[in-house]
Amino acid sequence: IAGITQAPTSQILAAGRRMTLRCTQDMRHNAMYWYRQDLGLGLRLIHYSNTAGTTGKGEVPDGYSVSRANTDDFPLTLASAVPSQTSVYFCASSDGANTEAFFGQGTRLTVV
Amino acid sequence: EDKVVQSPLSLVVHEGDTVTLNCSYEVTNFRSLLWYKQEKKAPTFLFMLTSSGIEKKSGRLSSILDKKELFSILNITATQTGDSAIYLCAVGHSNSGYALNFGKGTSLLVTP
Repeated sequence: IAGITQAPTSQILAAGRRMTLRCTQDMRHNAMYWYRQDLGLGLRLIHYSNTAGTTGKGEVPDGYSVSRANTDDFPLTLASAVPSQTSVYFCASSDGANTEAFFGQGTRLTVV
Repeated sequence: EDKVVQSPLSLVVHEGDTVTLNCSYEVTNFRSLLWYKQEKKAPTFLFMLTSSGIEKKSGRLSSILDKKELFSILNITATQTGDSAIYLCAVGHSNSGYALNFGKGTSLLVTP
């Protein structure tokens, strides 16, 4: 593993199903983030974590939950998927303030 | 409300042209402004700017920040078809941990 790994790469999900998007980083970064990217809306922050054990809500947190049990992993869970959650999801990490964020390759999720 | 506004939203130029992409912002507790390039998948880091008037340069790309007027520009000289991408501007602030607040991006197409 080098950098940030997201899984799955893509997924088609029936509405109402539960889904966890996985994100793992090997850079020992303290901070991790989940964004969604939609055409015409850019990248919007869903949840963030400044350090293991803490999480916070971003701009569009409804319908999503996260946990940060350790430094490396930051899973994003959709408890009951809805079609409006169809999007490309990016996980990112950084080493704190005034540092660049590194992005995973994204998960393309389609909720039908 | 924090916001990051990029212009233009899209741009088509011929190879060899010079382009200027704009990013204005209104955020509280500003820390930094970053530029990313996004081709097919993950955004990749270009520049981070924290101080006014200091140009950052990498090959044919350069960027500068004006913290008084709250904007930044990204210049690309002698454009090539490989410069075709979405260019994202992001601002770091302390309102959501270390997360970045992104603009909607500028889609640049360089034609042969």
